Amino acid sequence: AQSVTQLGSHVSVSEGALVLLRCNYSSSVPPYLFWYVQYPNQGLQLLLKYTTGATLVKGINGFEAEFKKSETSFHLTKPSAHMSDAAEYFCAVSDHNTDKLIFGTGTRLQVFP
Amino acid sequence: GAGVSQSPSNKVTEKGKDVELRCDPISGHTALYWYRQSLGQGLEFLIYFQGNSAPDKSGLPSDRFSAERTGGSVSTLTIQRTQQEDSAVYLCASSLAPGGPETQYFGPGTRLLVL
Repeated sequence: AQSVTQLGSHVSVSEGALVLLRCNYSSSVPPYLFWYVQYPNQGLQLLLKYTTGATLVKGINGFEAEFKKSETSFHLTKPSAHMSDAAEYFCAVSDHNTDKLIFGTGTRLQVFP
Repeated sequence: GAGVSQSPSNKVTEKGKDVELRCDPISGHTALYWYRQSLGQGLEFLIYFQGNSAPDKSGLPSDRFSAERTGGSVSTLTIQRTQQEDSAVYLCASSLAPGGPETQYFGPGTRLLVL
């Protein structure tokens, strides 16, 4: 069975600091991996996804994530946090046949001025 | 173009009543998903529709929950005899044919409160 673990339910950074949100997965097949962001009272928006090929994936708003098979990780990073990055971030793995998403428990990012 | 829309945006109901939640997917998207987001359970898959195939109902938490998709477009999630633990945000998503994997586009959700 596939699963996702997000370490740290809350992460706080200062504006301009590095953002690192951790995600580890468990999958018996090569995984499809996703990061979604949820702003307050809104639905989920795709930040980036990994399917095959290049292991460093670039997404919207300056975010990127690196697929590391040896570490079963797909951590999300952004070099310099902005106040507008404050939101909840979800890592997910998808079923290959149906694409249904299995989500981690989410990480709430706070950005302080 | 228009995104995924859901109605109502908020619903307050009394325990024991039935509720219907509606999802309008993006035009041309053949796959439709329902998820539930609650404090205790996080984001969890409920049900999946793809074209005319039988839906994948493996995530429905009880037989009080059902869903249908008419004409391959609009979907309705019905919860019968609501319980307080059904209080959650119900999210709908749609995508092009699965297996790509295709990006799922989410609606804003319906916030359900069962008193």
